[in-house]
Amino acid sequence: QTVVTQEPSLTVSPGGTVTLTCASSTGAVTSDLLPHWFHQKGGQAPRVLIYSTSKKVSWTPARFSGSLLGGKAALTLSGAQPEDEAAYYCSVYYRSAWVFGGGTRLTVL
Amino acid sequence: QLQLQESGPGLVKPSQTLSLTCTISGGSISGGTDCWGWIRQPAGKGLEWIGHICPSGSTDYNPSLKSRVTISLDTSKNRFSLNLNSVTAADTAVYYCAKEWGYWGQGTLVTVSS
Repeated sequence: QTVVTQEPSLTVSPGGTVTLTCASSTGAVTSDLLPHWFHQKGGQAPRVLIYSTSKKVSWTPARFSGSLLGGKAALTLSGAQPEDEAAYYCSVYYRSAWVFGGGTRLTVL
Repeated sequence: QLQLQESGPGLVKPSQTLSLTCTISGGSISGGTDCWGWIRQPAGKGLEWIGHICPSGSTDYNPSLKSRVTISLDTSKNRFSLNLNSVTAADTAVYYCAKEWGYWGQGTLVTVSS
């Protein structure tokens, strides 16, 4: 069973930069695993921010970017805003199954 | 604007079958190449992918749930469905449907309890 690992929690100062990562028990995360990033704010459905490693959807703020970093997928937030406080989930597609990471609780403080 | 809406019983007894439907509006379930998925989230926990059905009718399931899950498509009613059998309290969660991954339903809470 594939396990995807994220930092349980991170804190960033307003205006600061933070990188969230996503590792897979299958080995290095590559673009073939189609890493996606979602955020979820209290009681709401998740919303995709980044798909296929680094592609943005129309509602993705410019301060978010996706990449591959040291064998992991990465989500970088540059210029954090209070409204970015949320849970962030990555997912990868491996052997015809999507697997979500455990999520990162991001605090902007 | 594409919208998805989950519906089904909010309470299911242990050992019975959980059945949910996701109705699509503002678009056709038959259009495009994206698959239609089910995801769940126990209270205070993370997301778990249950499985999906693709426009071709092919399905893939989470290996840990595969023996209990069936996802089907009803193009005539523009909806797809989830059946999860032999449920236990561990299946209590908010269940979401999604068009992987740009559109999600609002989620529906299903509690497994006698």
